[in-house]
Amino acid sequence: EDKVVQSPLSLVVHEGDTVTLNCSYEVTNFRSLLWYKQEKKAPTFLFMLTSSGIEKKSGRLSSILDKKELFSILNITATQTGDSAVYLCAFTSGTYKYIFGTGTRLKVLA
Amino acid sequence: NAGVTQTPKFQVLKTGQSMTLQCAQDMNHEYMSWYRQDPGMGLRLIHYSVGAGITDQGEVPNGYNVSRSTTEDFPLRLLSAAPSQTSVYFCAGGRGTEAFFGQGTRLTVV
Repeated sequence: EDKVVQSPLSLVVHEGDTVTLNCSYEVTNFRSLLWYKQEKKAPTFLFMLTSSGIEKKSGRLSSILDKKELFSILNITATQTGDSAVYLCAFTSGTYKYIFGTGTRLKVLA
Repeated sequence: NAGVTQTPKFQVLKTGQSMTLQCAQDMNHEYMSWYRQDPGMGLRLIHYSVGAGITDQGEVPNGYNVSRSTTEDFPLRLLSAAPSQTSVYFCAGGRGTEAFFGQGTRLTVV
């Protein structure tokens, strides 16, 4: 059965800290891995990763995929209170299904 | 270009009632899907479609029906609402890259 496991489930840090969020997956027909940020409403897209070892960056956020070990990490440097959210990891299979993990709830304290 | 539009935003049903959650997209997405989100459970896939006339079950399909008569619309029907269906529902569309989400429907079944 296809599944995604995220860790930790929740995390509390102070502004300026660096955090690493983990996502491991088991899937029979991997196509891509995606990261989303969810605040109060709908998830918003952060990154899509399809190739191993290539880092994607957007400002203070970066992500990398390891297809051999079946995991991805999302790094956030110099965290700010506005980074407080639930971060969701998902993969797509050959049929374009998007399967999500349970998310990591990040709280950044001022 | 409205993206993915869900209606209604809020709904309260009595146990046993039926209703349809509407989802429409104007981005020519091949793929559309419905998720439910419960506290601590991430996004769980209910049903999805890879094109007009094609639908399939996700992880938690029981108690829900879908149809895809046009590319633009993907309604979700609750046949006989139960308190266990109290949740936040998201519709999403995509073309094999990132999924675009509607703003969600908060459904309460009493």
